[in-house]
Amino acid sequence: AQSVTQLGSHVSVSEGALVLLRCNYSSSVPPYLFWYVQYPNQGLQLLLKYTTGATLVKGINGFEAEFKKSETSFHLTKPSAHMSDAAEYFCAVTQGGKLIFGQGTELSVKP
Amino acid sequence: DAGVTQSPTHLIKTRGQQVTLRCSPKSGHDTVSWYQQALGQGPQFIFQYYEEEERQRGNFPDRFSGHQFPNYSSELNVNALLLGDSALYLCASSFGQSDITDTQYFGPGTRLTVL
Repeated sequence: AQSVTQLGSHVSVSEGALVLLRCNYSSSVPPYLFWYVQYPNQGLQLLLKYTTGATLVKGINGFEAEFKKSETSFHLTKPSAHMSDAAEYFCAVTQGGKLIFGQGTELSVKP
Repeated sequence: DAGVTQSPTHLIKTRGQQVTLRCSPKSGHDTVSWYQQALGQGPQFIFQYYEEEERQRGNFPDRFSGHQFPNYSSELNVNALLLGDSALYLCASSFGQSDITDTQYFGPGTRLTVL
């Protein structure tokens, strides 16, 4: 069965600094991977997804993620954090049409 | 183009009661999935409906049941509510049968509080 581990339940960065949110997965088959963002009291919004092809995936709001099969990782990055990026971020993998989520990482951005 | 909508936004119930949550999928989508998100946790898959049938189910008791209507909208019913059922319930819609690459789009959720 697939599973997802997000390292660090809380990450704090300064505005303008690099954002790096870590995600590792376990999967017995080629995975399809997603990053979602959740703002307070809201549902989940898709940031980006990896299915096949290019391993560097670009998403909305300047985020990108790189699929590294050898490391079973799908880390999310953004070169320069903005105050509006403060939110909860979830990494997910598909398993038979359903999504398996990590525990989430709360991103705080300091002015 | 309307996205996924859910109603109500908030709900307060007492232990032992029953609750029904509703979801309308994104236009053009025919598959609805339900997730439970407890406070501080990632969403957990409850079940998925396609062509008015439950296609797969997560590790939730039979107190959790659902339905999909011909217009693809869906309901989630929870009987004999427990305090532990307090959570944000998320509905997600997608298109197609068993397409694991298909993206699921989420609604804003229904916050259920059980007292």
